[in-house]
Parts: sequence; C-alpha cells; structure tokens
Amino acid sequence: GQQLNQSPQSMFIQEGEDVSMNCTSSSIFNTWLWYKQDPGEGPVLLIALYKAGELTSNGRLTAQFGITRKDSFLNISASIPSDVGIYFCAGQKWNNQGGKLIFGQGTELSVKP
Amino acid sequence: DGGITQSPKYLFRKEGQNVTLSCEQNLNHDAMYWYRQDPGQGLRLIYYSQIVNDFQKGDIAEGYSVSREKKESFPLTVTSAQKNPTAFYLCASSRTAFSNQPQHFGDGTRLSIL
Repeated sequence: GQQLNQSPQSMFIQEGEDVSMNCTSSSIFNTWLWYKQDPGEGPVLLIALYKAGELTSNGRLTAQFGITRKDSFLNISASIPSDVGIYFCAGQKWNNQGGKLIFGQGTELSVKP
Repeated sequence: DGGITQSPKYLFRKEGQNVTLSCEQNLNHDAMYWYRQDPGQGLRLIYYSQIVNDFQKGDIAEGYSVSREKKESFPLTVTSAQKNPTAFYLCASSRTAFSNQPQHFGDGTRLSIL
C-alpha cells in the first residue's frame, strides 16, 4: 500500500537543542497531520496543515506543508525532557469518498537532560 | 470530560479464542476507526464507520469484525482467524469520516497471546 517515508527513525539530543524531522511521499497529499505518542498511550494531535506552503506553529513546534504537496517537516525548538516520545506524520488525500490517513513509521525522540 | 475511552488497557487471548476490545466516545462524532500498531511501524487501518449501522473494511480487516449499533460505541472483535493478533490497538473518532476534521485517538489496548 501507500507509504510515507519518515526520517530520521530515531534521534538522541541534548536538552535545549532544536529538532527537525520530515516526511516524504511519491504521492500528493491534501492534508498533513503531526501526532505525538507517549509510551503506552494514544497519539495526540499536534498540528494540522491544510494548504500547500502553509507554515503553522504550536508553541515551540513549527510544521510546514511542502510546496510540492509531497512532503512536510516538523521542527521543535529548545527541546525539553517532556518532548520525549514518538512523532508521527500522517498524510491525507481527497477523492469523492473522502480520504484515509496514511501514517509514517514514526520518529522516536530521546532528550538527555 | 469529553474523549475516547478504550478498555481494557491490557488483554490476553488464548489460542482459538475471540476477544472484544471496547471503544466509547462522548464527542458526538459520527466517524470512528480502528487501527493496529506494531513496533517500529505506523498505524494501519482495520475498520472504519462513517455513521451508525455502517462500517467498511480498512487495509487489514482479515481476522477482525466490528459493529456500530450506537453512535458512541465501536467495539472490535479479534477472531481466532487472526493468526498474529499481538499488537497495540488504537480507536479514533472524527466529526465526519475522512474529512478535514482531524482524528483523535484513545489510549489504546495492548493485546497479547497466552
């Protein structure tokens, strides 16, 4: 089936550093979503992007919908220990029956105090 | 508080046994979904329901069944036909199905084989 390539798979950073992760696809998407999942819990929506080129912030998080509609990135500035978790991107494309979410494989973030 | 409640948190299945995972939402959402998550992988869609008394197969429906008799409830049964059921199961809902209304998730049920 369709796949999103999310990278990197894992990151080990020092508290205070900035983080960047991205998702790419060979297909065009109409919507990009970014979720965070803590261990043993469900994903929580961080940012939703609906328009090519859109840049949206949520606190220290910034995400962009790529101009080509085939990619998106998420940046976290000045990381803190509670940023630890798995970050997932999800793309959605529209047809006359709506559009299913396609998830990336996740980026596991570890933050060293 | 409004949200999605999944139960139980942990579930164990014996060989040849069917088990049912519960998902309840009080968000008044029309659409509900079941996903399967395996280690190191993204979420894969099992079944979804756009409205009461309607449901559709997702990408990996074999060995699973669902019902949607009430708007707030969408239980998932893992049948004995599912040969590799060990996984983390996530239920989600959205205001309408596959629209620009984002999906929100419950806290999951971890299913293991005895």
